[in-house]
Amino acid sequence: AQRVTQPEKLLSVFKGAPVELKCNYSYSGSPELFWYVQYSRQRLQLLLRHISRESIKGFTADLNKGETSFHLKKPFAQEEDSAMYYCALSIIQGAQKLVFGQGTRLTINP
Amino acid sequence: DTGVSQNPRHKITKRGQNVTFRCDPISEHNRLYWYRQTLGQGPEFLTYFQNEAQLEKSRLLSDRFSAERPKGSFSTLEIQRTEQGDSAMYLCASSLASGREEQYFGPGTRLTVT
Repeated sequence: AQRVTQPEKLLSVFKGAPVELKCNYSYSGSPELFWYVQYSRQRLQLLLRHISRESIKGFTADLNKGETSFHLKKPFAQEEDSAMYYCALSIIQGAQKLVFGQGTRLTINP
Repeated sequence: DTGVSQNPRHKITKRGQNVTFRCDPISEHNRLYWYRQTLGQGPEFLTYFQNEAQLEKSRLLSDRFSAERPKGSFSTLEIQRTEQGDSAMYLCASSLASGREEQYFGPGTRLTVT
């Protein structure tokens, strides 16, 4: 069965420190991985996807098929990064059916 | 606001009652997804439509749940004979089918079953 695991429910770091949010997945096929973010009082929105290989708001994520991981990283955290982050896996079967992890609440302390 | 909208935003109902939620997607989007999110968990896929056709339903969607998208535009999700376990946030998302598909989420409808 497809599964996404985010081992940390809560993560707290100081402003300017590096951030890494962990995500591991299990899927026998060829996955597409995403990070979604939900800021306070806002709706869920796409942050980045592995096929884009982009850096969004200073965040990057690399798909490691050997370790089945897709960790989200940022070298210098900012206070506005405080939010709920969800890792998601798309099972590509003609539609983007997303399987989400349980989420990590990131708090950036001043 | 031209994003995905959902109504109502909050619904409190008594166990055994029927409820219906509505989702209005972004106008040109041909795919529409429903998810359910319980406290402390990520969203869970329920079902999706391509235009008016419902193409997949999760095993989470019991017989008490039904979804429609009659004209390929807005969608409704009905829960019959609600149970306390149905209490959750119900999220709708829409997208344009493409190689770089991106789902845009609505604000959700929070259901509380008493």
